[in-house]
Amino acid sequence: GNSVTQMEGPVTLSEEAFLTINCTYTATGYPSLFWYVQYPGEGLQLLLKATKADDKGSNKGFEATYRKETTSFHLEKGSVQVSDSAVYFCALSGFTGGGNKLTFGTGTQLKVEL
Amino acid sequence: DSGVTQTPKHLITATGQRVTLRCSPRSGDLSVYWYQQSLDQGLQFLIQYYNGEERAKGNILERFSAQQFPDLHSELNLSSLELGDSALYFCASSVGSGSSNEQFFGPGTRLTVL
Repeated sequence: GNSVTQMEGPVTLSEEAFLTINCTYTATGYPSLFWYVQYPGEGLQLLLKATKADDKGSNKGFEATYRKETTSFHLEKGSVQVSDSAVYFCALSGFTGGGNKLTFGTGTQLKVEL
Repeated sequence: DSGVTQTPKHLITATGQRVTLRCSPRSGDLSVYWYQQSLDQGLQFLIQYYNGEERAKGNILERFSAQQFPDLHSELNLSSLELGDSALYFCASSVGSGSSNEQFFGPGTRLTVL
């Protein structure tokens, strides 16, 4: 079945540092890939997506490239801010016989300090 | 604000009881998804409906059931509740049913079973 593996957290960075959160996946077929962010006490917000190999998703300074050869979708940001502190989830979307579901990684908590 | 609404926000009940969680999708979205988020299991897909029909099923317990009504809102019914059912329950919606469709999440219902 489909699965997503994310790097363990928490990740603690200083403001303006470079961020990488690793994500690898196992899937059959051609899944779409997503990053979601969850702020404390809130629901999940879609951060970015990529629907085919070599696509780059980007939003709010975050980027991730769909790498089929390495089955990866690593999240990067050049300069993090305190407001980026949250839990980040990598997910893949698998089409299952007429339906669809998201398979999530375990989430990576990011803490950004001044 | 994703446009997906969920009620109630919090629910506290006792073991053995039955509860109903309600979700209204974004305007124009035909698909509704239910997910459970717990500390030990992470984010797990439960079930998907598209325009009133069940389309995909995940690890949903037999004690749980869901439906989508003609006005497209959905309800998740949880019965014979156990302590382990305590979790955050999220509803998400998307325009279509395919894997490239972005899913937008509601704020969640926090269920506590005492």
